[in-house]
Amino acid sequence: GAVVSQHPSRVICKSGTSVKIECRSLDFQATTMFWYRQFPKQSLMLMATSNEGSKATYEQGVEKDKFLINHASLTLSTLTVTSAHPEDSSFYICSAREGVQGGGTGQPQHFGDGTRLSIL
Amino acid sequence: GENVEQHPSTLSVQEGDSAVIKCTYSDSASNYFPWYKQELGKGPQLIIDIRSNVGEKKDQRIAVTLNKTAKHFSLHITETQPEDSAVYFCAINTGFQKLVFGTGTRLLVSP
Repeated sequence: GAVVSQHPSRVICKSGTSVKIECRSLDFQATTMFWYRQFPKQSLMLMATSNEGSKATYEQGVEKDKFLINHASLTLSTLTVTSAHPEDSSFYICSAREGVQGGGTGQPQHFGDGTRLSIL
Repeated sequence: GENVEQHPSTLSVQEGDSAVIKCTYSDSASNYFPWYKQELGKGPQLIIDIRSNVGEKKDQRIAVTLNKTAKHFSLHITETQPEDSAVYFCAINTGFQKLVFGTGTRLLVSP
């Protein structure tokens, strides 16, 4: 159980393109999903928290107009990297948390397999 | 802000040996402590977690111990196998229900 599917797994595109990444919880409802960025040989850096039916909360230093997040259903969140540039190249990973929004401390987060984004 | 220190950064063991990874944290309000295993090119996989009302938890070859007073928790892997080779991350939860991750430990198990 607790499977999170992330698509696509890899994207290579030209500078200036917008890229959409999908994150789905397959066998549980996730009112809260998270988007992370990971540079090579480094830890996960939280970009934003995505809550179903409301605006995402972005971490300090993350441009909300650059990284658009939509969480329209209990099983789907999307991250759109707008007008991507080479410096946006990275490994983007989503996670989905079990349990109700804002409730229950210590609910497990389950991760997708990531999207490797390469901007030429 | 919250901080999690993880040691060692790399760990090499022989197959069959035990491996121990330790994390220390500063936020006394943290009450959930998961461990993740990340294989190359994949997302992190939750392997075990512990809550602050428990001092130790075990699942087959994997165990986690928590010392809330000293603010540290450790991952113990016994009878290591080559397939245990991966990067391991500890994490703590924050008051905003987010996870803060450690810096990771690259574990290499040699046959």
